[in-house]
Order: sequence, then C-alpha cells, then structure tokens
Amino acid sequence: GQSLEQPSEVTAVEGAIVQINCTYQTSGFYGLSWYQQHDGGAPTFLSYNGLDGLEETGRFSSFLSRSDSYGYLLLQELQMKDSASYFCAVRVRGFQKLVFGTGTRLLVSP
Amino acid sequence: ETGVTQTPRHLVMGMTNKKSLKCEQHLGHNAMYWYKQSAKKPLELMFVYSLEERVENNSVPSRFSPECPNSSHLFLHLHTLQPEDSALYLCASSQVQAPEQFFGPGTRLTVL
Repeated sequence: GQSLEQPSEVTAVEGAIVQINCTYQTSGFYGLSWYQQHDGGAPTFLSYNGLDGLEETGRFSSFLSRSDSYGYLLLQELQMKDSASYFCAVRVRGFQKLVFGTGTRLLVSP
Repeated sequence: ETGVTQTPRHLVMGMTNKKSLKCEQHLGHNAMYWYKQSAKKPLELMFVYSLEERVENNSVPSRFSPECPNSSHLFLHLHTLQPEDSALYLCASSQVQAPEQFFGPGTRLTVL
C-alpha cells in the first residue's frame, strides 16, 4: 500500500517561516509534489522534487530525501494569502499517478 | 483561471438519477484525470486517460463511468449513486510524464 503523513494543521504569523513535513511509504516512487488549495478553490501546483535536495521557487522551497522517505515544504515571509491547505503527493509508477496526503491546513494570522 | 473548466459547478441528484460531469482543458495537454475529494480524506485518483486511452482505473465502482472522446474533453457519467458518493469531483490535465497537473474548479456533488 501507499501512505503519506503530514500534520493536519499549522499556525503562524505574517512574516514568519513555516515548514510542512511529509513522510511517505510507497512503492515505485518517482518524486514528491506539493499543491496548494484555498477554500472553495482548485489545487494548484507549487513544486516538484524528483531528486534529493532543495528546490526553490520564490518564497517557497521544497526538499526531498529519498533515503528517509521524507520531504518538506518551506514557506518564507508568510502572507495572509498563504492561508490554505497544502498537500504533498507522491508520483508513482507510470509517472502520471499521484497519491495525495490528507493535507495540512495553514492558518496565517496578523 | 487555470485553463481547465468543469460543468456543472454544483449538482444535486437522487440515487436513481443519471447525470454527467464535463471537463474541458484548453492547455493542449494529452493526459486527463478524475479525482474525488471528500472531507477529511486525501484526494483520491479515480481514472487516468493518457493519449485518450484509459490507463488507470483505481478500483472505482461501476456506477462511475468515464469517457474521453478526445484529448480536450473528459466526462464522468453517474448512475444509481449512493449518498456516500457526495463529494467534490475534480478534473485535472497534464502533459504525459510532466509532474505538474492543472486542476479544474470541481463539481460539488450531493446525492440525496
């Protein structure tokens, strides 16, 4: 089977840095993706790690350690608009299959 | 606007009804997906179409029937659904073998 674990909720204040962890157990692992979903909205792609290490895209960075079956999403200089749910998803066999975690709800306060 | 549209946005149906969900992508992608999102559960992949051929059926009950007439359109035909099928149904598209999937806004389905 395949499973992903991430915290259910994280709170932070504007301007802070927050890290959302994701651990996974899968077979046929190809990479780890992160998606953001605002309430009532569609999931939107944030980042993808196919290899170990850090990927940086503006205020967001994502990290992967394949040997530890672990990754994280790092959000810097938090803004109120970052309040949303964040999902990690592993890309498994066939490249196109994504298995999602249950999501982490991030609440950013003033 | 993500380039992936879904209609209707909301649907209420009885257990004996037949309805269809429609998805259209304007991004030139060649893979399309149906996902189910229920409260407090992960997004569940239902079906994958790659180059208009179904390549994944994630143990979905036969009361859900997908159709992909071309690379831009995807349908999900629904019949004799159960109340537990009430959820947000999301369509997505991508280029084959590309990691990024583009999601539509979803259809909020309620089965009475």
